[in-house]
Amino acid sequence: GAGVSQSPSNKVTEKGKDVELRCDPISGHTALYWYRQSLGQGLEFLIYFQGNSAPDKSGLPSDRFSAERTGGSVSTLTIQRTQQEDSAVYLCASSILGGGSRTDTQYFGPGTRLTVL
Amino acid sequence: DAKTTQPNSMESNEEEPVHLPCNHSTISGTDYIHWYRQLPSQGPEYVIHGLTSNVNNRMASLAIAEDRKSSTLILHRATLRDAAVYYCILRVSAGTSYGKLTFGQGTILTVHP
Repeated sequence: GAGVSQSPSNKVTEKGKDVELRCDPISGHTALYWYRQSLGQGLEFLIYFQGNSAPDKSGLPSDRFSAERTGGSVSTLTIQRTQQEDSAVYLCASSILGGGSRTDTQYFGPGTRLTVL
Repeated sequence: DAKTTQPNSMESNEEEPVHLPCNHSTISGTDYIHWYRQLPSQGPEYVIHGLTSNVNNRMASLAIAEDRKSSTLILHRATLRDAAVYYCILRVSAGTSYGKLTFGQGTILTVHP
């Protein structure tokens, strides 16, 4: 079946511009996570959605970062006024249960590579 | 949060077994041990998980120490496609984690032909 998809696969933008990154989770998965991977910081959590609500936004690095999820499916991560330190690979993952489950599997997309010039 | 410690890198030859260690001395009784791996230019993928007993699946085996303070991921016959970064992750109880994965630096596995 179809896995997690993300678009665009690559995005180059100029400092100060806004960008939107999209994630299509696996159909039926209630939980959705955003992570980012940069050379200096490794792989770090950004935000978690259960359905359309986000009970954990603790990983968002600043108020320039926001995310939404609609219809319990597609999610968009928006970065406003991008900075060079935002350059990273942004990864989306989905899972069936989410929440407090300690056993469900997260399925990751291929990521969006963001480069801020 | 409970922390894991892994070697930075390991090497293996093709078709030989590989044992990837992980220390988690502060693990609590309800934390699950998960392993994910990340192939070059791809997102992480699930490998295996366990709580107390050893586990086997089509990809690997997970051996968990009796005191649960360490575990070992076993690839029975390494192939070139197994070259990846392997992450040992503790899935902690609900309340503060919401199931998010906390990645460490992982172990870079190099497989030689």
